[in-house]
Amino acid sequence: EVQLVQSGAEVNTPGESLKISCKGSGYSFTNYWIAWVRHMPGKGLEWMGIIYPGDSDTRYSPSFQGHVTISADKSISTAYLQWYSLKASDSAMYYCARHEVAGTSIFDYWGQGTLVTVSS
Amino acid sequence: QSVLTQPPSVSAAPGQKVTISCSGSSSNIGNNYVSWYQQLPGTAPELLIYDNNKRPSGIPDRFSGSKSGTSATLGITGLQTGDEADYYCGTWDSSLSAVVFGGGTKLTVL
Repeated sequence: EVQLVQSGAEVNTPGESLKISCKGSGYSFTNYWIAWVRHMPGKGLEWMGIIYPGDSDTRYSPSFQGHVTISADKSISTAYLQWYSLKASDSAMYYCARHEVAGTSIFDYWGQGTLVTVSS
Repeated sequence: QSVLTQPPSVSAAPGQKVTISCSGSSSNIGNNYVSWYQQLPGTAPELLIYDNNKRPSGIPDRFSGSKSGTSATLGITGLQTGDEADYYCGTWDSSLSAVVFGGGTKLTVL
């Protein structure tokens, strides 16, 4: 069974760094892209970027380039989303999703989401 | 402001049919495949339709998708109370080099 299991909810203060994770199982982790999607309360879904764990090829949405870092450790089938200096506006639910082909909008399996709250 | 435009809400009675529209441009819907996602309350999105009109395994044929020009439509027949959810369209945008989504449509089954 394909599963993406994300790390737990986080509460941070502005300026802190944060790294959340997404562990894949039940499939060949290195052969599929992992996407990160932001969902702010009352808003639509936003595609942040993708990584191909097989060779760490990473692509970012222009809206998120420079604000976050996407990485992966294929030895433990885990992808990461990282911030170096959080802002209150980063408060949102973040999902990882499996993505077979870059350049398409097909995300066939999703993690359960990680809620990030940034507040002073 | 989302790149793709969806109505904020739609409603219909149990057993009826509803359609949800998704409007874009030539840089996204006009030249790329459209996907649809269902997000039940408190859960992650789930793929409902891909490549404009294909259903993943396990998705009932009550759900259908179509595309014409720069617009796409999700259709749901035989509405059930369990269909109450937010629905999102998505596609690749060749100008932005990014996946873009609609703002979501909340379906209420009265």
